[in-house]
Amino acid sequence: DVKVTQSSRYLVKRTGEKVFLECVQDMDHENMFWYRQDPGLGLRLIYFSYDVKMKEKGDIPEGYSVSREKKERFSLILESASTNQTSMYLCASSPGGIIPTEAFFGQGTRLTVV
Amino acid sequence: GENVEQHPSTLSVQEGDSAVIKCTYSDSASNYFPWYKQELGKRPQLIIDIRSNVGEKKDQRIAVTLNKTAKHFSLHITETQPEDSAVYFCAARSGQAGTALIFGKGTTLSVSS
Repeated sequence: DVKVTQSSRYLVKRTGEKVFLECVQDMDHENMFWYRQDPGLGLRLIYFSYDVKMKEKGDIPEGYSVSREKKERFSLILESASTNQTSMYLCASSPGGIIPTEAFFGQGTRLTVV
Repeated sequence: GENVEQHPSTLSVQEGDSAVIKCTYSDSASNYFPWYKQELGKRPQLIIDIRSNVGEKKDQRIAVTLNKTAKHFSLHITETQPEDSAVYFCAARSGQAGTALIFGKGTTLSVSS
């Protein structure tokens, strides 16, 4: 079974803190993604990576950055957390190649910024 | 970039009825269209997907249809059951390198017995 694991299920951080959300996959997938899920807004793409050290902005990258130093790990960084970043964050991974295939999701991290 | 619209946002049906969720996409280069189901408190999981060289695909009570000319695709669930109650997301992605899966806003399906 593909396993995508996010380091925390719940996080509470203070405004202005630097926050790291970690995601690890064990299937040697080339592609990794970070989404943010808010009620009524669906899954919005923050950043994605299709190779080590490669990153692409998604639809809502402002206030976030990412790091992919190793193929299995993709980190989302909130440089200075703000209350409007309180949300559910979902990591996903999928194989590379020309023919797109299923993306597998982690269990999500519910982040609260106070 | 790709934009995916999904309708309706909520759908209530009686057990045994059919449910249909529709999505449209904007990027004509998109060639992969998955549907995910997310139960309360759980991660999204793939239930069915379709590629652009296929017009329809079925898996037991669920089916997906694709109209590439009109850039829309639909999920059909027949003989709905209470356990079908969940949020359903459609998505689209092109086969070009460096592209991501873009999701619709989701449909909350409620099946009452």
